[in-house]
Order: sequence, then C-alpha cells, then structure tokens
Amino acid sequence: GESVGLHLPTLSVQEGDNSIINCAYSNSASDYFIWYKQESGKGPQFIIDIRSNMDKRQGQRVTVLLNKTVKHLSLQIAATQPGDSAVYFCAENSGGYQKVTFGTGTKLQVIP
Amino acid sequence: GAVVSQHPSRVICKSGTSVKIECRSLDFQATTMFWYRQFPKQSLMLMATSNEGSKATYEQGVEKDKFLINHASLTLSTLTVTSAHPEDSSFYICSASGQGAREQYFGPGTRLTVT
Repeated sequence: GESVGLHLPTLSVQEGDNSIINCAYSNSASDYFIWYKQESGKGPQFIIDIRSNMDKRQGQRVTVLLNKTVKHLSLQIAATQPGDSAVYFCAENSGGYQKVTFGTGTKLQVIP
Repeated sequence: GAVVSQHPSRVICKSGTSVKIECRSLDFQATTMFWYRQFPKQSLMLMATSNEGSKATYEQGVEKDKFLINHASLTLSTLTVTSAHPEDSSFYICSASGQGAREQYFGPGTRLTVT
C-alpha cells in the first residue's frame, strides 16, 4: 500500500549546526504533510505542516520543504539545540480524510 | 494549541484482565478521535478512528472485540483492552481533531504493561 518513509534512522548533529531530516512519500494523492517531534515516553508534538500547494514553509527555527516532483519532504532545524534531541516523524494526509499515515521516524541526537 | 489528556499515564495489569484508557480533549470539541499503538523504536500505527456517536472504524488487523472503543461525547473517548496479554504491552496514544479540521492533537500516551 501507500507509505511514507524516511531515509535515515539516526542523525547526529553538533549543537549549533543546522539539521536536515528527510522523508520520502509514495502516495501521489497526499496533499497535506506534517512534521512531529516525539520525546521519549511522550506523545507526538506538532512542529510544522505544509499543504501541497506550497513548496516551503517557515516557522520558528524550522523550515519544511516539499518537492512534489520527487515526492520528498524535509525538515530543517536551524541552530540545533540539545532540546531538539528527539525522534522526528513525517506524516501525510490525503484530501478528504482525517487519517494520517506516519513515516518510520528519524532519531536526532544533538552533540553538546 | 489544543490540549489532549490521557489517563492513566502508566498501567500494569495481569494477563487476562481488561484495562481502560481515557482520552480527553480539554479545550475543544473533538468530533474525531484516533487511537494509535507504538512499539519501542517504531512508528505510530493507527488502530482505529472514532467519530462521536458512531462506531469506530478499525484498521486492518486490529481486533475490534479486543480493543473496544467508545466515543460517547465530544470530549471523551475510551479504549478498553480486553483480556490483555503480554503482547498487548505497548504505548497507546490518542489524538483528536475538530470538525472538518486536518490537524490532530496528540495525547501524552499511556504505557501499558501486561504481566
């Protein structure tokens, strides 16, 4: 079936550097994408979302890029901090349905 | 953002018993609630979708008679794991959405351990 997946399971980044977490999706009907952050033992926390009519969206220290041609999504975190250490999931949703499909997740480790 | 709570946060039960997990939307009306299960180092897997006042829609492979879901009000959904077994031990997470909204707000999760 359709799925959302990630290229890297673990990413180690030096504190202060920028982080880039990637996600590939296969459902061409997906038109809404979300990035979540999950800390150990907690529920997912919304970070940023983007609709398919956009290529880029910025938040506070985070930017999401969407490339519909190659079905690729990325999350950029500027000036990564120790508090950013967590597992990051991309998720996708296709129009008309509230159900969200989660990717496999990337663990971000920030090295002090 | 909207707040979703879960209770209990942790529960340990004996094999063969049933356990109920509550999910509440604290500051908005949740017309749709979702229940997920997450095993260690894995992603969230959707178990079922419930709309207020309707029967839940279960994902393929999820036993509806084992995982009973009730969504009787716009602020409360419950998941009852019946006749729990050790393999049901997992992290159960709920989320909630408002009418027509695509955003889901997640609860903090419930750690279930079946001994």
